[in-house]
Amino acid sequence: DTGVSQNPRHKITKRGQNVTFRCDPISEHNRLYWYRQTLGQGPEFLTYFQNEAQLEKSRLLSDRFSAERPKGSFSTLEIQRTEQGDSAMYLCASRPLAGGRNEQFFGPGTRLTVL
Amino acid sequence: SQQGEEDPQALSIQEGENATMNCSYKTSINNLQWYRQNSGRGLVHLILIRSNEREKHSGRLRVTLDTSKKSSSLLITASRAADTASYFCATGPEGGAQKLVFGQGTRLTINP
Repeated sequence: DTGVSQNPRHKITKRGQNVTFRCDPISEHNRLYWYRQTLGQGPEFLTYFQNEAQLEKSRLLSDRFSAERPKGSFSTLEIQRTEQGDSAMYLCASRPLAGGRNEQFFGPGTRLTVL
Repeated sequence: SQQGEEDPQALSIQEGENATMNCSYKTSINNLQWYRQNSGRGLVHLILIRSNEREKHSGRLRVTLDTSKKSSSLLITASRAADTASYFCATGPEGGAQKLVFGQGTRLTINP
């Protein structure tokens, strides 16, 4: 068990470009979450998957954002037509469905800089 | 938007002293959790307290929860330089919602 991994760790892009981030959760964790964290703030929830089903989306997830978890394992978060306001740390977390434990296990994050 | 506020926003103490951070939240909760984040990295879960609990201990950590005041505190005893980090409280709402709602965090600096 190597923990939650995210790739890339850093991404610098120009405004208007599309970017895609990948998250590999801890194996057998059915639940997967995406959060966004801007400098000096706490993480803000973006979306949640249980297996391959996207069960909740935040209002923060505009039409330019899309997330998938096609086989219920890894997930991708795509941002189209990036804007400077999209610059942030994008965090992925996972937790098991069973066991009654509520804590989430976070990856190291992908830091996005939009120029 | 953030669930609540943390107080203080920044705290600087000497190694060996105790550090206390406070968190307030707005809605009914199922549980409250504390996470630590080292500079520019992911979050690490520290401790969870359920809504029907009032106090919980884990090593040098002590968490209290007052649901009538919608507040919690995290005490770190005998602080070490390695405790330097940002600390966030996060609430798990009632009603089966799965997301965590984080506060703005307290930046803790332990001076050697």
